Amino acid sequence: GENVEQHPSTLSVQEGDSAVIKCTYSDSASNYFPWYKQELGKRPQLIIDIRSNVGEKKDQRIAVTLNKTAKHFSLHITETQPEDSAVYFCAASQAGTALIFGKGTTLSVSS
Amino acid sequence: SAVISQKPSRDICQRGTSLTIQCQVDSQVTMMFWYRQQPGQSLTLIATANQGSEATYESGFVIDKFPISRPNLTFSTLTVSNMSPEDSSIYLCSVDRDGPGTQYFGPGTRLLVL
Repeated sequence: GENVEQHPSTLSVQEGDSAVIKCTYSDSASNYFPWYKQELGKRPQLIIDIRSNVGEKKDQRIAVTLNKTAKHFSLHITETQPEDSAVYFCAASQAGTALIFGKGTTLSVSS
Repeated sequence: SAVISQKPSRDICQRGTSLTIQCQVDSQVTMMFWYRQQPGQSLTLIATANQGSEATYESGFVIDKFPISRPNLTFSTLTVSNMSPEDSSIYLCSVDRDGPGTQYFGPGTRLLVL
């Protein structure tokens, strides 16, 4: 089955810096790659996703890139703000099936 | 997106008892999923629940311990049976909406077993 590795487990940046979180997946049949943000005590919130027919997707300060050949995808947050502090999870699936999650990255943005 | 509610939001239970968690969605969905999130950990899939068929369980999760019902396209329940302290966790349902694979999560049920 699918296995998703996520790095780093923790990431500390200064406000205004960029943050990059990387994930690799094992199942070449996976074609859907979402990213979730989870604040303390809250549910995971979908912030951006990408499908395997696209190499990059951007939404304001957030972007995701996908390299199907290497089976890895990354989340890029630019101009980080303190409210970006949270745990971020990547996931992979064949669209329409359950998500397999990475172990998460705790992002801390200090002002 | 989707409006998803779960009941109860939290509970404290004694070992050996069972708790049924409800998940309600504001519109019909084909796919519903149940996940467990242990403190400080990632989300682990328990099972996939499709209406009209038996739930499909992931390795390490069995129907006797986590029976699931899916009576219609807007509702599902997960029961945690014969609980032990190791079952203390957050249990989340999710639904597949807005395109294949796009999943939204309910607010979760925080369970503490004493």
